[in-house]
Amino acid sequence: GENVEQHPSTLSVQEGDSAVIKCTYSDSASNYFPWYKQELGKRPQLIIDIRSNVGEKKDQRIAVTLNKTAKHFSLHITETQPEDSAVYFCAASPNSGGGADGLTFGKGTHLIIQP
Amino acid sequence: GAVVSQHPSWVICKSGTSVKIECRSLDFQATTMFWYRQFPKQSLMLMATSNEGSKATYEQGVEKDKFLINHASLTLSTLTVTSAHPEDSSFYICSAENNDEKLFFGSGTQLSVL
Repeated sequence: GENVEQHPSTLSVQEGDSAVIKCTYSDSASNYFPWYKQELGKRPQLIIDIRSNVGEKKDQRIAVTLNKTAKHFSLHITETQPEDSAVYFCAASPNSGGGADGLTFGKGTHLIIQP
Repeated sequence: GAVVSQHPSWVICKSGTSVKIECRSLDFQATTMFWYRQFPKQSLMLMATSNEGSKATYEQGVEKDKFLINHASLTLSTLTVTSAHPEDSSFYICSAENNDEKLFFGSGTQLSVL
């Protein structure tokens, strides 16, 4: 089955700086890679996703890059703000259909934005 | 956007009782829903995949007779924790896949078994 590794487990950055979270996956058939943000006690929220036919996707301060050859993908947050503090989860879908069915999640990264 | 509603948000029960948790997709139909368990500061652990009109698929190590799943309609899946014990105390969260194959989560249920 799919195995998703996520690093770092905790990331502390100064407000205004950039944050990068990295994930690797094992199943070369995976082709859907979403990122979720979970604030304490709340539901995970989909913040951005990418499919394997695209190498990079950007949405305002958030971007995701994908390297299928190396089987890794990363989340980039620029100009970080206090409200970016949360736990971020990456995930990969092992199904060739490319949907959310059967997502495997990383262990999460606790992002702390220092004022 | 896609909204997934989950109830109750928290429940306290006595050991040996059963607890039912509901997961509803409010503005889309979901043939597939998922149930997870999440321990503090840990990732989402998939328990089972709920399929409308058929039996749920359970992950290895998850007792199907203890965690009963019923996906009776395209907008509702329920998880019943039968004969709950303190070790079942956890945060349970559901998710549903919309027509764009994106996954949206319910707000979770904090279960405390005394």
